[in-house]
Amino acid sequence: DAKTTQPNSMESNEEEPVHLPCNHSTISGTDYIHWYRQLPSQGPEYVIHGLTSNVNNRMASLAIAEDRKSSTLILHRATLRDAAVYYCILKYGGSQGNLIFGKGTKLSVKP
Amino acid sequence: SQTIHQWPATLVQPVGSPLSLECTVEGTSNPNLYWYRQAAGRGLQLLFYSVGIGQISSEVPQNLSASRPQDRQFILSSKKLLLSDSGFYLCAWKSRGAERNQPQHFGDGTRLSIL
Repeated sequence: DAKTTQPNSMESNEEEPVHLPCNHSTISGTDYIHWYRQLPSQGPEYVIHGLTSNVNNRMASLAIAEDRKSSTLILHRATLRDAAVYYCILKYGGSQGNLIFGKGTKLSVKP
Repeated sequence: SQTIHQWPATLVQPVGSPLSLECTVEGTSNPNLYWYRQAAGRGLQLLFYSVGIGQISSEVPQNLSASRPQDRQFILSSKKLLLSDSGFYLCAWKSRGAERNQPQHFGDGTRLSIL
């Protein structure tokens, strides 16, 4: 399975944009890029996913590099409730599309 | 709308005791179901998944087992718990038959402590 690389931690100020990077240099042409986040003591929550084009939804935006070897999750205005571990998942492993979680990026948001 | 329920939320069990964690999904039919475990300070590890009633696939050999007696019910069990079974157990579902890139939806988890 293709792997992703994320910074262990990042800090942001409240109400400022946050750019969370993810490198996936071994991505294959059919791999989608998924982002989940996990708030403390909760299960992971789906954030967004994309293939080639940039994607927007009510939670975030996903910017995908033209060569697809990296992507960035963008939170347009961070709130204290956005403090979580953010996982960039490149590929569903196994025959049933199972998720393979890495260590993710722990985002801290300062008031 | 679809919802997923896990219980109990927390559980403290002695070593060697049995375990049964239950997960149910509402508002969808024929989902794929998953059990994950998250050890303290570590990432999520897939334990079992199921594509239908009575169909269980194990990703990691261990002393845990899973069963799916009904379409929207997924049970995680153990006959004799070990200290290493402590962790945060998460159930998830995904629309079955949908393209592989549909998201998974997670429950709130069960925090299991083994004494």
